[in-house]
Amino acid sequence: DIQMTQSPSSLSASVGDSVTITCRSSQVITNYLNWYQQKSGEAPRLLIYAASTLHSGVPSRFRGSGSGAHFTLTISGLQPEDFATYYCQESLFAPQYVFGQGTRLE
Amino acid sequence: EVQVVESGGGVVQPGGSLRLSCAVSGFTFSDYWMSWVRQAPGKGLEWVANIKKDGSEGFYVESVRGRFTIVRDHGKNSMYLEMNNLRNEDSAVYFCAREFVFTLPVVGGRNHYSTLDVWGRGTTVIVSS
Repeated sequence: DIQMTQSPSSLSASVGDSVTITCRSSQVITNYLNWYQQKSGEAPRLLIYAASTLHSGVPSRFRGSGSGAHFTLTISGLQPEDFATYYCQESLFAPQYVFGQGTRLE
Repeated sequence: EVQVVESGGGVVQPGGSLRLSCAVSGFTFSDYWMSWVRQAPGKGLEWVANIKKDGSEGFYVESVRGRFTIVRDHGKNSMYLEMNNLRNEDSAVYFCAREFVFTLPVVGGRNHYSTLDVWGRGTTVIVSS
């Protein structure tokens, strides 16, 4: 079974900072990698699909990159609304999906 | 407005049953696969199950296979998760989500990328004696 591992588990930053979250898969998934944002008490929100394509309405300060088994989510110029938990999710093995354990940005 | 709304959560004893509902609006229900994703208290997201557009087949995470059944009713624009033999570890917020497949051109053809693009606010299931 595929495993998705995010690092770090939590991250402290300030408004204006740039941060990078890493997601590694236990198997090669080419670019079948999605990123989601979840604010406390809210539903998750799709940010990026195909490893690097921004979903409609997502600000350009979010950038996804990577392929194979190593992926990153970079947020440049953090805004107050960006403090949330971020999850990666593989979609190569659809219809079954696996999420990473999450990275809390605080 | 595209929307999915979950209901049916509650408190149930171990070994008990519960049926969750997901009502959709604002899009053609029969055009999309649908998923259930759960989140245990203080934990991350876990995909639970999904169902084909026509409802002919469902897929499950190993931990719920044989206990949970996913179904859909196009006449009611709704999806359901029938949960039996519930365990303490099934306690979670259960989210309903629409699966959207994006198509991107690549050398020699196109690739299809499955995502969960519309989510509800969730319904809470507590399994406790």
